[in-house]
Amino acid sequence: AQSVTQLDSQVPVFEEAPVELRCNYSSSVSVYLFWYVQYPNQGLQLLLKYLSGSTLVKGINGFEAEFNKSQTSFHLRKPSVHISDTAEYFCAVGGGAQKLVFGQGTRLTINP
Amino acid sequence: EPEVTQTPSHQVTQMGQEVILRCVPISNHLYFYWYRQILGQKVEFLVSFYNNEISEKSEIFDDQFSVERPDGSNFTLKIRSTKLEDSAMYFCASRDRTSGYNEQFFGPGTRLTVL
Repeated sequence: AQSVTQLDSQVPVFEEAPVELRCNYSSSVSVYLFWYVQYPNQGLQLLLKYLSGSTLVKGINGFEAEFNKSQTSFHLRKPSVHISDTAEYFCAVGGGAQKLVFGQGTRLTINP
Repeated sequence: EPEVTQTPSHQVTQMGQEVILRCVPISNHLYFYWYRQILGQKVEFLVSFYNNEISEKSEIFDDQFSVERPDGSNFTLKIRSTKLEDSAMYFCASRDRTSGYNEQFFGPGTRLTVL
């Protein structure tokens, strides 16, 4: 079985500060890892994905994530956040099974 | 850019009523999914559908739920007799068969409110 744990339910940061959203996963098979963003009253948009190869993956809007197999983590980072990054962020894992398994989500709030 | 669409955006219904949530997946996609998100909780998988049959379903997807692809473009989720606890945001997603990985494209969701 696969599972995802997002360690922070809410993360407040100031504008232009760096941010890290933490994600740990559990899987007995090879995994694909994803970060999705959900802006208020909108659907889920793919930020970035890890499939194989380089452990540092870059996504849209200046976000990046690092896959760490030994720590079973896939933390999301951005060096300088903007007000428009205010959203809910979901880490997800998908592997041999068809479905995606999501974490509980992290609400990122940017303060001016 | 092609996108998944869902209608209606918000559906209010009385407990015990049947509802049908509609989705139009991206046109060349062949795998279809429904997920739901109860307010304040995580997104949960309901069902996946391929080649006109269910390929996987979760424990949530009981006999009250059904899915159908009635024509070449729509993918529907029916709840036969809604319960209060069915109130949630329902997301449709689709995937291209040629994708070696499981990238799914999500629609904007339908908010279902059961009174």
